Formats: sequence, structure tokens, C-alpha cells
Amino acid sequence: GAVVSQHPSRVICKSGTSVKIECRSLDFQATTMFWYRQFPKQSLMLMATSNEGSKATYEQGVEKDKFLINHASLTLSTLTVTSAHPEDSSFYICSAIRGGGTEAFFGQGTRLTVV
Amino acid sequence: GQSLEQPSEVTAVEGAIVQINCTYQTSGFYGLSWYQQHDGGAPTFLSYNALDGLEETGRFSSFLSRSDSYGYLLLQELQMKDSASYFCAARGTGANNLFFGTGTRLTVIP
Repeated sequence: GAVVSQHPSRVICKSGTSVKIECRSLDFQATTMFWYRQFPKQSLMLMATSNEGSKATYEQGVEKDKFLINHASLTLSTLTVTSAHPEDSSFYICSAIRGGGTEAFFGQGTRLTVV
Repeated sequence: GQSLEQPSEVTAVEGAIVQINCTYQTSGFYGLSWYQQHDGGAPTFLSYNALDGLEETGRFSSFLSRSDSYGYLLLQELQMKDSASYFCAARGTGANNLFFGTGTRLTVIP
């Protein structure tokens, strides 16, 4: 199956700093990638859809100035959590769907802890 | 808006059969998918239904009724390793998104 790689897997940062999370599709080109946030024992909440070469589409209630998404190439999307606060601590996970396919491939996820 | 509702928890005995339901409301519909997620891990794809009916893949089967906005995942011959969270998922208008259901935590007991 296709592989999506996400980095880093864990990160601890201080309040007020920014953290960048990378999501790479290793063996296919992904014009669209999805970013999710997941709290313990809860579902995956779609934050935004990352579109290669254009602006991301954010879901209602997600601050686009706080969660910056860049999809500069067909294999890389990044999510930057700016001015992080403890309430931003969560599990962030990306996914991509191969063109024409129906199966979403997920990265390993990033556990962010803001102290 | 998008809404996919599932029971929050299900417990079943090893070797038994369990059904996990999903009712959905989406603006636009492009089929229903099912994913499994173990604690701390990433979701993995199980099945996809674009049309009404039953899709079978080994011990797992998935059913869709578009007229009822309803689907289910059927797990047979349950094994302890099947203990995980299960999510239905659907794409909404424009298909440029993928929304997940509320999730069902399955616990398999001996």
C-alpha cells in the first residue's frame, strides 16, 4: 500500500513557540492532503484540506492564522501550530488519498505537548 | 454540515460476531468507508462501499443503504486483536474532504 510519512512523531514545546509538522507521501503524488486533530478517546476532527499550489480549505471553527498549512509540492504538506498554548496539546495526523482512489493513507501522527 | 453517528462502545466475546452501525448526514455523498485504529496508532483502511449492498473482505464485511443513510461494519470470528476503535468515514460536497464518524470502541473479551 501507499506510504505517508509524518514527522516528528512527538514534540514538546514551550507556550508561545511555533511547531512545524511535516507530512510526506512517499510513493505517490498527493494533490490533496487532510489534517486532523484527535483528542484522547475521541474521533478524528478534520481541521483542513491542504491543496497543492493553492490555499488550504479550513473547517469551521479552525483558526487559519493559528494553524498554518503549506502544500508547496505534490508530496509534502506542512502544518505549523503558531504561538502554541497548552490547549493545543493533542494528536495531529495527516492523510492523503491517491488520485482516483478511495482509501486514505495516514501518517504516523504527531503527539504535541505544549508546556 | 456533516454528521456520522456511531455507538460509542461495544463489547463482544472472542469468536462471536459484532455489528457496528453508522448513520450519516452529509451534504453530498461519495460512499462510506471504514477504518480501524488501535490506541496510539494511525487509522488503517478496512473497506469502502460506493453502492448499496454488502462488501466482504475476509472476516470483515460492510453494508450500505443510501436510501436510509445507514451503513454497518460486520466483524466475524472476533479475535482479541480486533479490540480497537472503528470509524466510518464519508466525503462531502466536492469530495475534497473526508469526515470521520464519532467512533466505536470495540472490546473483545475471552
